[in-house]
Amino acid sequence: NAGVTQTPKFRILKIGQSMTLQCTQDMNHNYMYWYRQDPGMGLKLIYYSVGAGITDKGEVPNGYNVSRSTTEDFPLRLELAAPSQTSVYFCASRPTGLPHEGTQYFGPGTRLLVL
Amino acid sequence: EDKVVQSPLSLVVHEGDTVTLNCSYEVTNFRSLLWYKQEKKAPTFLFMLTSSGIEKKSGRLSSILDKKELSSILNITATQTGDSAIYLCAVLSTSGTYKYIFGTGTRLKVLA
Repeated sequence: NAGVTQTPKFRILKIGQSMTLQCTQDMNHNYMYWYRQDPGMGLKLIYYSVGAGITDKGEVPNGYNVSRSTTEDFPLRLELAAPSQTSVYFCASRPTGLPHEGTQYFGPGTRLLVL
Repeated sequence: EDKVVQSPLSLVVHEGDTVTLNCSYEVTNFRSLLWYKQEKKAPTFLFMLTSSGIEKKSGRLSSILDKKELSSILNITATQTGDSAIYLCAVLSTSGTYKYIFGTGTRLKVLA
């Protein structure tokens, strides 16, 4: 299993540009999450999904959109990039059920710089 | 507003020292508290603590949940340079659907 994969690894965007961060998992997990991590900070939840076709906002959803058309994929869309969106973005997934609640599987992250 | 607060923000110790990291929370519909270790890349899971499992231990690391005080500690004994990392505390809330609230982390540096 590849686990959780994210592309790209690094990207520079100009203010006002748009892009999609890709996230794919091959573990058949229902739960998927997008986080951002600013320097010296913890993770902030942007959006999450409990299954295909179901998404919900986290703490910091403004400026982002998501979709979940399949179990495997959970892309994050940035519209009109702003410098405040400069961050490292992590995608994560986990199986359903109490024993698995702590075991989020994280992707390697995408470093985004908006200039 | 739900929040998770960690202290200290950073810590520098020497190899062999024992450290205690703190995590306090104000979260509606608490379900579990989680500790993660983050080195250069993505966080990796350490412990999950719940009402039915308030103490966990793995090697030199141990953690306790105090539901009365709404807090948890992570202890690391006989620290090694490989313990240098950011330690993240997160609380799983069942408000709405299940979601995680993370603290800002404690950056630990262990000197040889």
